[in-house]
Amino acid sequence: DIQLTQSPSFLSASVGDRVTITCRASQDISKYLVWYQQKPGKAPKLLIYAASTLQSGVPSRFSGSGSGTEFSLTISSLQPEDSATYYCQQLNSVPRGFSFGPGTKVDI
Amino acid sequence: EVQLVESGGGLVQPGGSLRLSCVGSGFTFGIYEMNWVRQAPGKGLEWVSYISSVGGTIYYADSVKGRFTVSRDNDKNSLYLQMKDLRVEDTGTYYCARDGSVAAAGYEYWGEGTLVAVSS
Repeated sequence: DIQLTQSPSFLSASVGDRVTITCRASQDISKYLVWYQQKPGKAPKLLIYAASTLQSGVPSRFSGSGSGTEFSLTISSLQPEDSATYYCQQLNSVPRGFSFGPGTKVDI
Repeated sequence: EVQLVESGGGLVQPGGSLRLSCVGSGFTFGIYEMNWVRQAPGKGLEWVSYISSVGGTIYYADSVKGRFTVSRDNDKNSLYLQMKDLRVEDTGTYYCARDGSVAAAGYEYWGEGTLVAVSS
């Protein structure tokens, strides 16, 4: 199975800061990685797919990069509404499944 | 407007069964791949199951393989998850999620979830 790790697990930052979350895969997943944002009590929201493609409607301050085993999600200028937990997910491991990372909680 | 509405959650004893449903609207249900994702209270997301657009391809997480069965009825715009031999660790919110319009584009739409509690 492909395992995903995220770092950090928690970060505290200020409005306007640039923050980066890293997701590492236990084996090469090419660019089959997506990022979600989840706020308490809500369903996740798709932010980035194919490692770096911004989902329609998502603010441009969000960006993704990486391929293979190392990926990152960057928020260029943190806003109050970005306080949430962020998850990466790999979509490469057919038929074993599409595992999620453990999440990174961002506090502002 | 795309909507996914789950139902069927509730309290069940260990070893019991439950059937979850998810009804889609606002899109052509039968052309999209669908998934179930769950989240234990206070924990992260766990992918549970995938079903292709016509149901010919199905995958399960190892944690539910042999106990859960995913199915769909495209005439009823519905996705199902039959859960049997439920365990305490199956407790959580179960979301249905629709794949994006592009391959490997993640889950573009999610329902609000239905809560499953397994407890004696």
